[in-house]
Amino acid sequence: NAGVTQTPKFQVLKTGQSMTLQCAQDMNHEYMSWYRQDPGMGLRLIHYSVGAGITDQGEVPNGYNVSRSTTEDFPLRLLSAAPSQTSVYFCASSSVRVNTEAFFGQGTRLTVV
Amino acid sequence: AQKVTQAQTEISVVEKEDVTLDCVYETRDTTYYLFWYKQPPSGELVFLIRRNSFDEQNEISGRYSWNFQKSTSSFNFTITASQVVDSAVYFCALRAYNTDKLIFGTGTRLQVFP
Repeated sequence: NAGVTQTPKFQVLKTGQSMTLQCAQDMNHEYMSWYRQDPGMGLRLIHYSVGAGITDQGEVPNGYNVSRSTTEDFPLRLLSAAPSQTSVYFCASSSVRVNTEAFFGQGTRLTVV
Repeated sequence: AQKVTQAQTEISVVEKEDVTLDCVYETRDTTYYLFWYKQPPSGELVFLIRRNSFDEQNEISGRYSWNFQKSTSSFNFTITASQVVDSAVYFCALRAYNTDKLIFGTGTRLQVFP
């Protein structure tokens, strides 16, 4: 099992560029989430989804869009990157139905210059 | 509001010392889950333990042990006889029942010197 797969691992963007961080899971989990990790702030929830077609905002949603067209995939879009979005991004999946812990991807280190 | 506080930003110990990482949480929910994750220098998040609010029994797993006390809203993590490989950032997290949303503490960086 691959678990949660995030791509890319590293990315450098120029201010104003757009990009999509990919996240896929193969565990049939209904919940998927995106977190960002910044020094001294732990991980903060950006957006989450409780199932295909359903998304909602987390603590720090501004500047990010998500969609969930399938159970497996949950991409995170930056429409116009800003230096404040320099961070490490983690995708996670879990199943509240069978009460699992959150499984995290390997992370994407994004730098916006 | 839910909140997790890890007051210890950084801890340094010498190998074989015991070390306790503190975690204090706030929630109005009666049913919730608490977690500890380890983030080694390679950057991934490694799940260590989950504890639900109904189960205050302490847990031991090898050199790791966890002390959950609802009366003080604490879920502390102790490493016995620390090793260099324990060097990492450790996160405590809180999750309400029937949701996926995790509230993380700011983490404690543990450095174990040989």
